[in-house]
Amino acid sequence: EVQLVESGGGLVQPGGSLRLSCAASGFIFSTYWMHWVRQVPGKGLVWVSRISSDGSGTSYADSVKGRFTISRDNAKNTLYLQMNSLRPEDTAVYYCATGVGSLGDWGQGTLVTVSS
Amino acid sequence: DIQMTQSPSSLSASVGDKVTITCRASQTIGKYLNWYQQKAGKAPKLLISVASNLQSGVPSRFSGSGSGTDFTLTISSLQPEDFATYCCQQSYTTPYTFGQGTRLEIK
Repeated sequence: EVQLVESGGGLVQPGGSLRLSCAASGFIFSTYWMHWVRQVPGKGLVWVSRISSDGSGTSYADSVKGRFTISRDNAKNTLYLQMNSLRPEDTAVYYCATGVGSLGDWGQGTLVTVSS
Repeated sequence: DIQMTQSPSSLSASVGDKVTITCRASQTIGKYLNWYQQKAGKAPKLLISVASNLQSGVPSRFSGSGSGTDFTLTISSLQPEDFATYCCQQSYTTPYTFGQGTRLEIK
């Protein structure tokens, strides 16, 4: 059974940093592209970033480009999202998900709140 | 960026009804259109990929169609567990973009 478990969310001040983690199990992590998607509670889904299976290719939404960095450790079956220069508008639940185009499996999400 | 527009934004229907939700892309995306179901407080669930490919375990009352810029999700006979929010997503090119969602409520 595929399991994706996000962690690292919390309350951070504007301008601060957080690193999210997504621990994967139940599948061969190193063969899957991975994504981060966020959602303000009660609002729609917003794609944030994608990383190729070997980590060599990444893409970002314009709203986070230059501030967020996606990475992965295939030896540890873990996906990361380093978030710097956080803004109040980054407040959301952050999900990790598997897939190249369609997002087949999702974690339960971790809440990031950016507020002073 | 490719804009995805869903209609309607909300819909009231009864158990047993047939429901259709539409999704329009701002430019052609071939068949790179996926549909998700999301229930309150839960992660999204992939229902249909590449416009019409029903995911394993998803009931056959769900179907998808379309290509280019116009797509539809149809639920042939609503069941109580289908009341949720439905969302489309284009995977033609990054940044991937989602529709704003259609909230399906019980009439």
